[in-house]
Amino acid sequence: GAVVSQHPSWVICKSGTSVKIECRSLDFQATTMFWYRQFPKQSLMLMATSNEGSKATYEQGVEKDKFLINHASLTLSTLTVTSAHPEDSSFYICSASGSRTDTQYFGPGTRLTVL
Amino acid sequence: LAKTTQPISMDSYEGQEVNITCSHNNIATNDYITWYQQFPSQGPRFIIQGYKTKVTNEVASLFIPADRKSSTLSLPRVSLSDTAVYYCLVGDSPNAGNMLTFGGGTRLMVKP
Repeated sequence: GAVVSQHPSWVICKSGTSVKIECRSLDFQATTMFWYRQFPKQSLMLMATSNEGSKATYEQGVEKDKFLINHASLTLSTLTVTSAHPEDSSFYICSASGSRTDTQYFGPGTRLTVL
Repeated sequence: LAKTTQPISMDSYEGQEVNITCSHNNIATNDYITWYQQFPSQGPRFIIQGYKTKVTNEVASLFIPADRKSSTLSLPRVSLSDTAVYYCLVGDSPNAGNMLTFGGGTRLMVKP
């Protein structure tokens, strides 16, 4: 099956710093990538959708200036959490889709802890 | 949007067959039904996808009645490692918005 990787798998940072998370589709070209956030014991919440070469579409309530998404190639999307605060601590998960009719394949997730 | 409803939790024992039902009364003609499994601190893993009747793979079976207003994920002979949260999603494509809304999922606990 399709494989999606994320890096890093976990990160701890100080409040006010920025953190970049990478999402890669390893064996297929991802025309669309998605970013989710998941708090403990809760379901996944979609943050944004990104298509290769175009600006990301953010869900209502997600600050686009705080969560910068770049989808520069068909195999790589990045999420940068700018000026991170403790309330941004969460599990961030990306997924990728190879075509409009393809299902989503999820990465392993990145645990972000902001001190 | 095709909203889904699943039981919050289920308990089972090793070796038993587990059936998890998902209700999606507002499913549209073009919508597919997809099930994911998620372990703690991991991303969801694709299990199975179907449109109608029955789909089977090496992991599970998916039963969809003729009216498509519900679906049942069947896990044969579960083991302790099947303890996880199972999500049912409905939509016509990953880009269709409604496919991307995760419900609460069903927390399956398999006991020895």
